[in-house]
Amino acid sequence: AQSVTQPDIHITVSEGASLELRCNYSYGATPYLFWYVQSPGQGLQLLLKYFSGDTLVQGIKGFEAEFKRSQSSFNLRKPSVHWSDAAEYFCAVGALQAAGNKLTFGGGTRVLVKP
Amino acid sequence: GAVVSQHPSRVICKSGTSVKIECRSLDFQATTMFWYRQFPKQSLMLMATSNEGSKATYEQGVEKDKFLINHASLTLSTLTVTSAHPEDSSFYICSASSGSEAFFGQGTRLTVV
Repeated sequence: AQSVTQPDIHITVSEGASLELRCNYSYGATPYLFWYVQSPGQGLQLLLKYFSGDTLVQGIKGFEAEFKRSQSSFNLRKPSVHWSDAAEYFCAVGALQAAGNKLTFGGGTRVLVKP
Repeated sequence: GAVVSQHPSRVICKSGTSVKIECRSLDFQATTMFWYRQFPKQSLMLMATSNEGSKATYEQGVEKDKFLINHASLTLSTLTVTSAHPEDSSFYICSASSGSEAFFGQGTRLTVV
């Protein structure tokens, strides 16, 4: 069975500082990997995704993530956070070959941004 | 990007009544739709997968008679919470997919009083 672990429940970062959110997955086949952001009371917005190819993927809002197969990780990074980046972030894994792409989500990491 | 509209965004209902939540793909045909539930400060848990024209597949522990899912067309799926109770209060989110990527609705906050 597939699973996703986000080790950090909360992260507090100063505005302008760099941010890294960890994500580890367990999946028997080649995974689809996603990062989503959720503002309070809202749905999910896709930040970026990895299917194949270049293991460093660029997303929206200045985010990037690196797929490391050897470590089963897909960590999300941003060089300089803005106050508007305060939100909940979810890593998710889906089946590469499955139509419809049922996703398994990690527990989420809440990011707080200090002025 | 593809747009998924979920309605209503918020609903308050009395205990024992039923509530219907709609999920529409506005600019693409969704062969598969998913319904998730999210408790406060927790992650999303998949409830069921629905394919157009067939019965939904429920995840273990989800009562199919309580959470009725209908996927009558390629652009619409509905989730009906029947005989709602306070413990059903939650945030429900749908996603729609036409292939390898899923697009999410904005969610529905259900409060049962």
